[in-house]
Amino acid sequence: DVKVTQSSRYLVKRTGEKVFLECVQDMDHENMFWYRQDPGLGLRLIYFSYDVKMKEKGDIPEGYSVSREKKERFSLILESASTNQTSMYLCATGGLRGQGALGYTFGSGTRLTVV
Amino acid sequence: AQSVTQLDSQVPVFEEAPVELRCNYSSSVSVYLFWYVQYPNQGLQLLLKYLSGSTLVKGINGFEAEFNKSQTSFHLRKPSVHISDTAEYFCAVSEPLKAAGNKLTFGGGTRVLVKP
Repeated sequence: DVKVTQSSRYLVKRTGEKVFLECVQDMDHENMFWYRQDPGLGLRLIYFSYDVKMKEKGDIPEGYSVSREKKERFSLILESASTNQTSMYLCATGGLRGQGALGYTFGSGTRLTVV
Repeated sequence: AQSVTQLDSQVPVFEEAPVELRCNYSSSVSVYLFWYVQYPNQGLQLLLKYLSGSTLVKGINGFEAEFNKSQTSFHLRKPSVHISDTAEYFCAVSEPLKAAGNKLTFGGGTRVLVKP
């Protein structure tokens, strides 16, 4: 089974801090994704990557950036954390580029609180 | 652009009763459809998916869903729920063969609370 590991389960950061959320997969999947989950809004896509050093904006990229230097690792960066970025962040990985999401595997999530 | 609407934000149901979670989507092309479940304090787990073929799809834990192209719906059902089915359920849609990668668009989620 594909395993997707998010480095932190809970994080508390101060407004204005630079925050790194890390995600590592143990399969050779090309696609990786960062979503945020908020009550009533479901999951919204922040950024995704379909190859090393490649990135695409999702639906809500403002205030975020990403880095993918190695195939197995996809990092989400909050350049200057704000309270409206308090949320659950979920990383996911899925099959080959262009194959229409044949089922993703999700990490357990990082609950970030910005104070 | 794709969108997914889950018509019920919360569904209370008694143990051993049936449950139906409604999902409607909009897309200009043919799609792949998914249901995911999220148990408390966990990530999302795939319940079932529709890619092609039979419109009735069976998944894990006794769940099934029916794809209705004319009504653009993909409702999830279980004939008899257990306490352990208490969770949040997400419907999602993906467009296949998207050249620049692929992504899932999720609905807002439906919280199912199973009561004894």
